[in-house]
Amino acid sequence: QKEVEQNSGPLSVPEGAIASLNCTYSDRVSQSFFWYRQYSGKSPELIMSIYSNGDKEDGRFTAQLNKASQYVSLLIRDSQPSDSATYLCAVNADNDMRFGAGTRLTVKP
Amino acid sequence: EAGVAQSPRYKIIEKRQSVAFWCNPISGHATLYWYQQILGQGPKLLIQFQNNGVVDDSQLPKDRFSAERLKGVDSTLKIQPAKLEDSAVYLCASNWAGAADTQYFGPGTRLTVL
Repeated sequence: QKEVEQNSGPLSVPEGAIASLNCTYSDRVSQSFFWYRQYSGKSPELIMSIYSNGDKEDGRFTAQLNKASQYVSLLIRDSQPSDSATYLCAVNADNDMRFGAGTRLTVKP
Repeated sequence: EAGVAQSPRYKIIEKRQSVAFWCNPISGHATLYWYQQILGQGPKLLIQFQNNGVVDDSQLPKDRFSAERLKGVDSTLKIQPAKLEDSAVYLCASNWAGAADTQYFGPGTRLTVL
């Protein structure tokens, strides 16, 4: 069974802080990794994708991948109230996409 | 570029009734996905099409769910008969090149089964 695990939260951080979101996955042949943001009542939208070990930065967002530990994370720097949402980790292995249950993030002004 | 279109946006039915959802992907996207998202959970893939062929339907409850994409463009997902546990948001997504590529989601259809 291919599993993608995330802490459900809620994770609460003050405005301007760094939010750290974590995800582990069970399938060692996983090839591509995605972070989606989902506002309440809305559909998921892509934040970051990462395919190789290491860090990938895009503005205030950094995705980190460690395939040996089967771990992927998302850091949000200078968190804003508008970042308050559920963050979904998605993992693709052999054309089979699996989503975690999501971590709910609240950024307090 | 127009996004993924879905209809209806909301549907309320009674258990044992039938319901159908429609999805029109982004123009040119060969791959189309249907997901079920139950409140508080992540999306669960029901079926993946590549053009008009099924790539993966391993998690589709085939005794009651069916889907088709006859001309390789738009798609319909049907539930017959519906159960209470089918209450969820049904999301359609599409992309160019399969699960390794970014998926673009439609607004979803919120189904309530009473």
